[in-house]
Amino acid sequence: GQQVMQIPQYQHVQEGEDFTTYCNSSTTLSNIQWYKQRPGGHPVFLIQLVKSGEVKKQKRLTFQFGEAKKNSSLHITATQTTDVGTYFCAGPQVGKLIFGQGTELSVKP
Amino acid sequence: DAGVIQSPRHEVTEMGQEVTLRCKPISGHDYLFWYRQTMMRGLELLIYFNNNVPIDDSGMPEDRFSAKMPNASFSTLKIQPSEPRDSAVYFCASSPGDSRTDTQYFGPGTRLTVL
Repeated sequence: GQQVMQIPQYQHVQEGEDFTTYCNSSTTLSNIQWYKQRPGGHPVFLIQLVKSGEVKKQKRLTFQFGEAKKNSSLHITATQTTDVGTYFCAGPQVGKLIFGQGTELSVKP
Repeated sequence: DAGVIQSPRHEVTEMGQEVTLRCKPISGHDYLFWYRQTMMRGLELLIYFNNNVPIDDSGMPEDRFSAKMPNASFSTLKIQPSEPRDSAVYFCASSPGDSRTDTQYFGPGTRLTVL
């Protein structure tokens, strides 16, 4: 069935190291959205990508949408302790927004 | 503007009791979603409404779960009777009327513990 898969499930980094999470869809997506959930918090919308090959940046965060619009990535440069949380990608499938399982990022100071 | 409001924030109940979770979406948003989040199953969509009408309840686990949206500013998710396996964080989210797959704005969640 339709799925949105994310890897890795967990990532532990030292503060200052880079971090990347990958999102893959079984079908072509009209758009991809990214959300961040802090520990004990709720998912918060970060960004939406619509165009094939699109790249968007938010400070140290770089989001990319694949050429085939079936995959996406989120890259954080020089992680900080404030980056801790779970990052979800979400894409429209069968008329619903399907969330990936999330990548939980922990940052050791 | 206030975001999505959920109450209660925490609920502890005993097995067999009725539980009612409440949600007030962002004013002007046409879509309302109920999600359940657990470590094992992640974020699951339970049901969503468009203009107060339930559109897709295929994610509702069983007949013990029911949801209503009597008006544009209020929705409830009811579990009767509750079971320990219902323990989870329940999120309500709302979305503007452009599309049911548009950006979603989540409430703070209700952490439910069924003993």
